[in-house]
Amino acid sequence: AAGVIQSPRHLIKEKRETATLKCYPIPRHDTVYWYQQGPGQDPQFLISFYEKMQSDKGSIPDRFSAQQFSDYHSELNMSSLELGDSALYFCASSYRDRGLEQYFGPGTRLTVT
Amino acid sequence: GENVEQHPSTLSVQEGDSAVIKCTYSDSASNYFPWYKQELGKGPQLIIDIRSNVGEKKDQRIAVTLNKTAKHFSLHITETQPEDSAVYFCAATSYSGAGSYQLTFGKGTKLSVIP
Repeated sequence: AAGVIQSPRHLIKEKRETATLKCYPIPRHDTVYWYQQGPGQDPQFLISFYEKMQSDKGSIPDRFSAQQFSDYHSELNMSSLELGDSALYFCASSYRDRGLEQYFGPGTRLTVT
Repeated sequence: GENVEQHPSTLSVQEGDSAVIKCTYSDSASNYFPWYKQELGKGPQLIIDIRSNVGEKKDQRIAVTLNKTAKHFSLHITETQPEDSAVYFCAATSYSGAGSYQLTFGKGTKLSVIP
Protein backbone atom coordinates (compact mmCIF):
# COMPACT_ATOMS: atom_id res chain seq x y z
CA ALA A 1 0.00 0.00 0.00
CA ALA A 2 1.15 3.54 -0.73
CA GLY A 3 2.54 5.45 2.22
CA VAL A 4 3.26 9.05 3.08
CA ILE A 5 6.31 10.36 1.22
CA GLN A 6 8.57 13.01 2.66
CA SER A 7 11.48 14.76 1.04
CA PRO A 8 14.26 15.30 1.57
CA ARG A 9 15.01 12.60 4.13
CA HIS A 10 18.03 14.46 5.46
CA LEU A 11 18.83 18.15 5.36
CA ILE A 12 21.75 20.09 6.72
CA LYS A 13 21.46 23.87 6.99
CA GLU A 14 23.38 26.64 8.70
CA LYS A 15 21.93 29.08 11.20
CA ARG A 16 19.78 31.80 9.67
CA GLU A 17 19.24 29.83 6.47
CA THR A 18 15.86 28.66 5.19
CA ALA A 19 14.58 25.14 4.60
CA THR A 20 11.58 23.67 2.78
CA LEU A 21 10.25 20.25 3.67
CA LYS A 22 7.79 18.45 1.43
CA CYS A 23 5.08 15.94 2.21
CA TYR A 24 3.04 13.82 -0.20
CA PRO A 25 0.06 12.24 1.59
CA ILE A 26 -1.39 8.83 0.96
CA PRO A 27 -3.59 8.99 -2.19
CA ARG A 28 -7.15 10.20 -1.41
CA HIS A 29 -6.09 11.55 1.98
CA ASP A 30 -7.23 15.15 2.35
CA THR A 31 -5.74 16.10 5.71
CA VAL A 32 -2.06 16.68 6.45
CA TYR A 33 -0.40 17.16 9.83
CA TRP A 34 3.13 18.29 10.65
CA TYR A 35 4.92 17.19 13.82
CA GLN A 36 8.35 17.96 15.24
CA GLN A 37 10.26 15.37 17.27
CA GLY A 38 13.36 16.34 19.22
CA PRO A 39 15.94 13.72 20.29
CA GLY A 40 14.41 11.30 22.78
CA GLN A 41 11.13 13.21 22.81
CA ASP A 42 7.57 12.63 21.70
CA PRO A 43 6.24 14.22 18.50
CA GLN A 44 4.85 17.72 18.99
CA PHE A 45 2.02 18.95 16.77
CA LEU A 46 2.88 21.97 14.62
CA ILE A 47 0.09 22.59 12.13
CA SER A 48 -2.55 20.83 10.07
CA PHE A 49 -4.44 21.35 6.82
CA TYR A 50 -7.77 20.03 5.64
CA GLU A 51 -8.82 20.46 2.03
CA LYS A 52 -6.02 22.98 1.46
CA MET A 53 -7.09 25.20 4.34
CA GLN A 54 -5.22 25.52 7.64
CA SER A 55 -7.36 23.71 10.18
CA ASP A 56 -5.34 23.79 13.39
CA LYS A 57 -2.18 25.29 14.77
CA GLY A 58 0.02 24.03 17.57
CA SER A 59 3.44 25.05 18.83
CA ILE A 60 4.70 26.29 15.48
CA PRO A 61 7.17 29.22 15.61
CA ASP A 62 6.27 32.35 13.66
CA ARG A 63 9.41 31.70 11.58
CA PHE A 64 7.69 28.62 10.14
CA SER A 65 4.88 28.60 7.63
CA ALA A 66 3.14 25.86 5.72
CA GLN A 67 0.56 25.30 3.06
CA GLN A 68 -1.31 22.53 1.30
CA PHE A 69 -1.55 22.60 -2.47
CA SER A 70 -4.28 21.61 -4.92
CA ASP A 71 -2.79 18.10 -5.29
CA TYR A 72 -2.91 17.82 -1.45
CA HIS A 73 0.83 17.77 -0.98
CA SER A 74 2.11 20.09 1.71
CA GLU A 75 5.26 22.11 2.29
CA LEU A 76 6.71 23.35 5.57
CA ASN A 77 8.84 26.44 5.15
CA MET A 78 11.30 27.28 7.87
CA SER A 79 13.22 30.56 7.92
CA SER A 80 15.94 32.08 10.12
CA LEU A 81 16.88 28.60 11.27
CA GLU A 82 18.18 28.18 14.79
CA LEU A 83 20.23 25.38 16.35
CA GLY A 84 17.16 24.37 18.34
CA ASP A 85 15.26 23.62 15.14
CA SER A 86 17.39 20.51 14.66
CA ALA A 87 14.90 17.66 14.89
CA LEU A 88 12.93 15.06 13.01
CA TYR A 89 9.96 16.51 11.16
CA PHE A 90 7.12 14.16 10.42
CA CYS A 91 4.17 14.56 8.16
CA ALA A 92 1.06 12.48 8.74
CA SER A 93 -2.03 12.17 6.60
CA SER A 94 -5.59 11.06 7.12
CA TYR A 95 -8.85 10.75 5.21
CA ARG A 96 -11.72 12.88 6.48
CA ASP A 97 -14.29 10.10 6.59
CA ARG A 98 -11.84 8.10 8.70
CA GLY A 99 -10.08 11.20 10.00
CA LEU A 100 -9.08 9.76 13.35
CA GLU A 101 -6.34 7.51 11.94
CA GLN A 102 -3.15 9.35 11.12
CA TYR A 103 -0.42 7.64 9.12
CA PHE A 104 3.08 8.99 9.46
CA GLY A 105 5.79 9.38 6.88
CA PRO A 106 9.43 8.40 7.41
CA GLY A 107 10.38 11.92 8.45
CA THR A 108 12.95 14.52 7.47
CA ARG A 109 15.97 14.85 9.73
CA LEU A 110 16.96 18.50 9.84
CA THR A 111 20.34 19.42 11.24
CA VAL A 112 21.15 23.09 11.79
CA THR A 113 24.84 23.89 12.26
CA GLY B 1 -5.20 21.43 26.44
CA GLU B 2 -4.76 17.69 26.61
CA ASN B 3 -2.01 16.15 28.73
CA VAL B 4 -1.01 12.50 28.35
CA GLU B 5 1.13 10.70 30.93
CA GLN B 6 2.80 7.41 29.99
CA HIS B 7 4.49 4.79 32.17
CA PRO B 8 6.96 3.21 32.36
CA SER B 9 9.56 5.11 30.37
CA THR B 10 11.61 1.94 29.87
CA LEU B 11 10.57 -1.70 30.04
CA SER B 12 12.66 -4.84 29.65
CA VAL B 13 11.01 -8.24 29.32
CA GLN B 14 12.14 -11.72 28.47
CA GLU B 15 11.09 -13.08 25.10
CA GLY B 16 7.71 -14.77 25.45
CA ASP B 17 6.64 -12.70 28.45
CA SER B 18 3.94 -10.02 28.38
CA ALA B 19 4.46 -6.27 28.37
CA VAL B 20 2.03 -3.65 29.65
CA ILE B 21 2.24 0.10 29.06
CA LYS B 22 -0.15 2.48 30.77
CA CYS B 23 -1.34 5.99 29.89
CA THR B 24 -3.61 8.55 31.48
CA TYR B 25 -5.16 11.58 29.85
CA SER B 26 -6.68 14.78 31.17
CA ASP B 27 -9.25 15.99 28.64
CA SER B 28 -12.59 14.23 29.08
CA ALA B 29 -13.49 15.32 25.52
CA SER B 30 -10.84 13.02 24.04
CA ASN B 31 -12.50 10.19 22.21
CA TYR B 32 -9.81 8.39 20.23
CA PHE B 33 -6.68 6.72 21.59
CA PRO B 34 -4.10 5.35 19.15
CA TRP B 35 -0.85 3.55 19.92
CA TYR B 36 2.22 3.99 17.77
CA LYS B 37 5.40 1.92 17.49
CA GLN B 38 8.54 3.78 16.46
CA GLU B 39 11.69 1.97 15.45
CA LEU B 40 15.00 3.78 15.30
CA GLY B 41 15.19 6.18 12.38
CA LYS B 42 11.61 5.54 11.28
CA GLY B 43 8.29 7.29 11.54
CA PRO B 44 5.67 6.26 14.11
CA GLN B 45 3.62 3.29 12.93
CA LEU B 46 -0.01 2.99 13.99
CA ILE B 47 -0.41 -0.46 15.57
CA ILE B 48 -3.80 -0.35 17.27
CA ASP B 49 -6.38 2.19 18.37
CA ILE B 50 -9.50 2.38 20.47
CA ARG B 51 -12.47 4.72 20.49
CA SER B 52 -14.31 6.00 23.51
CA ASN B 53 -17.36 3.80 22.93
CA VAL B 54 -15.27 0.63 23.22
CA GLY B 55 -13.69 -0.82 26.38
CA GLU B 56 -11.28 -3.29 24.84
CA LYS B 57 -9.86 -4.17 21.44
CA LYS B 58 -7.57 -7.01 20.42
CA ASP B 59 -5.46 -7.68 17.35
CA GLN B 60 -3.49 -10.92 17.53
CA ARG B 61 -0.83 -10.42 20.26
CA ILE B 62 -1.76 -6.80 20.92
CA ALA B 63 -4.68 -5.55 22.99
CA VAL B 64 -5.74 -2.16 24.28
CA THR B 65 -8.12 -1.37 27.13
CA LEU B 66 -9.82 1.91 27.93
CA ASN B 67 -11.37 3.13 31.17
CA LYS B 68 -13.11 6.42 30.39
CA THR B 69 -14.20 7.00 33.95
CA ALA B 70 -10.64 6.82 35.24
CA LYS B 71 -9.23 8.37 32.05
CA HIS B 72 -6.65 5.72 31.47
CA PHE B 73 -5.83 3.26 28.73
CA SER B 74 -3.29 0.49 28.41
CA LEU B 75 -1.42 -1.49 25.78
CA HIS B 76 -0.85 -5.19 26.34
CA ILE B 77 1.58 -7.21 24.24
CA THR B 78 1.60 -10.95 24.81
CA GLU B 79 4.22 -13.51 23.78
CA THR B 80 6.75 -10.76 23.12
CA GLN B 81 9.33 -11.23 20.40
CA PRO B 82 12.66 -9.45 19.79
CA GLU B 83 11.10 -7.57 16.87
CA ASP B 84 8.68 -5.95 19.33
CA SER B 85 11.64 -3.94 20.67
CA ALA B 86 10.94 -0.28 19.88
CA VAL B 87 9.62 2.92 21.43
CA TYR B 88 5.86 2.87 21.94
CA PHE B 89 3.80 6.05 22.15
CA CYS B 90 0.25 6.40 23.34
CA ALA B 91 -1.78 9.38 22.17
CA ALA B 92 -5.12 11.02 22.70
CA THR B 93 -7.19 13.01 20.28
CA SER B 94 -10.01 15.47 20.57
CA TYR B 95 -11.66 16.98 17.56
CA SER B 96 -10.23 20.41 16.78
CA GLY B 97 -12.52 21.44 13.95
CA ALA B 98 -12.57 21.31 10.16
CA GLY B 99 -11.65 17.64 9.89
CA SER B 100 -8.49 17.88 11.96
CA TYR B 101 -7.67 15.76 14.98
CA GLN B 102 -4.60 17.01 16.78
CA LEU B 103 -2.64 14.19 18.45
CA THR B 104 -1.17 14.66 21.92
CA PHE B 105 1.45 12.03 22.66
CA GLY B 106 2.78 10.49 25.84
CA LYS B 107 6.54 10.65 26.42
CA GLY B 108 7.06 7.13 25.10
CA THR B 109 8.12 3.74 26.47
CA LYS B 110 11.30 2.09 25.27
CA LEU B 111 10.54 -1.64 25.20
CA SER B 112 13.42 -4.08 25.05
CA VAL B 113 12.66 -7.76 24.51
CA ILE B 114 15.57 -9.93 25.63
CA PRO B 115 16.03 -13.15 23.62
